[in-house]
Amino acid sequence: AQRVTQPEKLLSVFKGAPVELKCNYSYSGSPELFWYVQYSRQRLQLLLRHISRESIKGFTADLNKGETSFHLKKPFAQEEDSAMYYCALSASGGSYIPTFGRGTSLIVHP
Amino acid sequence: KAGVTQTPRYLIKTRGQQVTLSCSPISGHRSVSWYQQTPGQGLQFLFEYFSETQRNKGNFPGRFSGRQFSNSRSEMNVSTLELGDSALYLCASSTETGFNGYTFGSGTRLTVV
Repeated sequence: AQRVTQPEKLLSVFKGAPVELKCNYSYSGSPELFWYVQYSRQRLQLLLRHISRESIKGFTADLNKGETSFHLKKPFAQEEDSAMYYCALSASGGSYIPTFGRGTSLIVHP
Repeated sequence: KAGVTQTPRYLIKTRGQQVTLSCSPISGHRSVSWYQQTPGQGLQFLFEYFSETQRNKGNFPGRFSGRQFSNSRSEMNVSTLELGDSALYLCASSTETGFNGYTFGSGTRLTVV
């Protein structure tokens, strides 16, 4: 079975501070990992995929298979980054239906 | 191009009633998945339809059902509503598989009283 854990329900930082949103997963195979974001009053949207190795809105995420983690990082937080962030895992074999973490609410104070 | 459209946005129903929710995916997306989102359980997978066939199913009772039409539009139905069915129901579409990530709709907020 696959599982995604986001240990922090809430993360509060000040503008300009570094941000790290934690995501740990449990899966015996080779995972496909995603970060989704939901801004206030907006729909859930894909932020980035690990396979793309991209940086979106200054956010990056590195897959660490040894630690089974996929933490989302940004060196300097902005107020507009305040949102709900969800980590999701898709299995590479069999059913690809993503499993989502419970989400972390990021609040960036001015 | 138009995003994923869900209707209605809000619904209030009474226990025991049934409800039908609708989802129109992005043009060209043939896979439609449904999720239930609640504060306590987060996002839970209901089912996925592809080419009018249910391809995957989550752990929900048989009161939850769905279907997909030839134009890829999908509906989900909940019969004999219970108070615990109150939730935000999200529809997500993708091209072939979830590996490219989902595009979500705004959701239907269902309140059962």
